[in-house]
Amino acid sequence: DQQVKQNSPSLSVQEGRISILNCDYTNSMFDYFLWYKKYPAEGPTFLISISSIKDKNEDGRFTVFLNKSAKHLSLHIVPSQPGDSAVYFCAAKWTNAGKSTFGDGTTLTVKP
Amino acid sequence: EAQVTQNPRYLITVTGKKLTVTCSQNMNHEYMSWYRQDPGLGLRQIYYSMNVEVTDKGDVPEGYKVSRKEKRNFPLILESPSPNQTSLYFCASSLRRDNQPQHFGDGTRLSIL
Repeated sequence: DQQVKQNSPSLSVQEGRISILNCDYTNSMFDYFLWYKKYPAEGPTFLISISSIKDKNEDGRFTVFLNKSAKHLSLHIVPSQPGDSAVYFCAAKWTNAGKSTFGDGTTLTVKP
Repeated sequence: EAQVTQNPRYLITVTGKKLTVTCSQNMNHEYMSWYRQDPGLGLRQIYYSMNVEVTDKGDVPEGYKVSRKEKRNFPLILESPSPNQTSLYFCASSLRRDNQPQHFGDGTRLSIL
């Protein structure tokens, strides 16, 4: 039972355009969501997060949107840059539990 | 420099030969965790620890052991490795168990023949 799903294994966009990465979850107990970015041969690094009490969080070129009723979140990158090319993981947590649940990841390629 | 250090980075070994992957963090983090990454399966949590002497199972704990005797170290032990444990392993830590983002090590690639 995969509780966090990223249905698009890959996404390709042109430099300067918007990248939208999607994530769906099934467990309504999740109340905190994070996005991590991973380059080859490195560990994931934290990008941005959102609490379930918010519907949007913005940090520079990165914005995460949360739709609790649809159990869906998305990461928007505007404008996309070639250096954004990486694997992006969505993760979900229930604050009172120690577990973190990750999606399968989406490989983003930003073409110059 | 704040970091999570895993060793070894690469290991090829044989079925049944006990091995330990070490993980150390220098950020005084309470929470530490182990994940494995497999193609098409993302990152799956093996074990986590919310503080010294406190450990708990993640989603895929079978075949693994952990210990947390000191705050900075969280070794992953494979008592009798099998080929299905061939994977890329990541250790991570965060300040607390709540909504702090995790800092990851650079990974350990294990091949069990």
